[in-house]
Amino acid sequence: DAGVIQSPRHEVTEMGQEVTLRCKPISGHDYLFWYRQTMMRGLELLIYFNNNVPIDDSGMPEDRFSAKMPNASFSTLKIQPSEPRDSAVYFCASSFAGYLPGNTIYFGEGSWLTVV
Amino acid sequence: KQEVTQIPAALSVPEGENLVLNCSFTDSAIYNLQWFRQDPGKGLTSLLLIQSSQREQTSGRLNASLDKSSGRSTLYIAASQPGDSATYLCAVRRENAGNMLTFGGGTRLMVKP
Repeated sequence: DAGVIQSPRHEVTEMGQEVTLRCKPISGHDYLFWYRQTMMRGLELLIYFNNNVPIDDSGMPEDRFSAKMPNASFSTLKIQPSEPRDSAVYFCASSFAGYLPGNTIYFGEGSWLTVV
Repeated sequence: KQEVTQIPAALSVPEGENLVLNCSFTDSAIYNLQWFRQDPGKGLTSLLLIQSSQREQTSGRLNASLDKSSGRSTLYIAASQPGDSATYLCAVRRENAGNMLTFGGGTRLMVKP
């Protein structure tokens, strides 16, 4: 398996523009997570899905952020409008049968976002 | 709210040294604890996962221990090598919190040849 695939790997955009980050989880995984990593706050969970349904979005910072998972093999995280403080690395991760305590989680290589 | 702390934040050691990374968490009601490695510009790779009922896990030169009651875990790296240079993060999965992981801030390790 190719692992969790994220795109774009790097994005530089101007403040106010819409940003869409994409993720393809590992085939067969039923949990998908979006994390954000910054120097100041470390890794934070933004939202996660189970079987394409959003379960917990309490980590989404504000209404400018939205996430969708239209099918088991694709998810998007959208920021509209973007602001400089959104600059971070956004990670997508997936896991299988998440409620089993021994299951691990697999991360993509991240989307490095810079908003200028 | 679960809080995870890692000490030290950064560590520099000469090659060959044995070292210990520390992780502490405030809520002992956890399913498991994982140690991850992150290389610059890369995602996270799971190194070891310790179930709440276990005391330790070993993989090669790595050994992770868990003391759930005291809210602590250590990652022991034997005979460190320059290739071990990376950031090491611990994460806990709480009971009754779905599949959410709470991460520590990480320890940035540099092993000098």
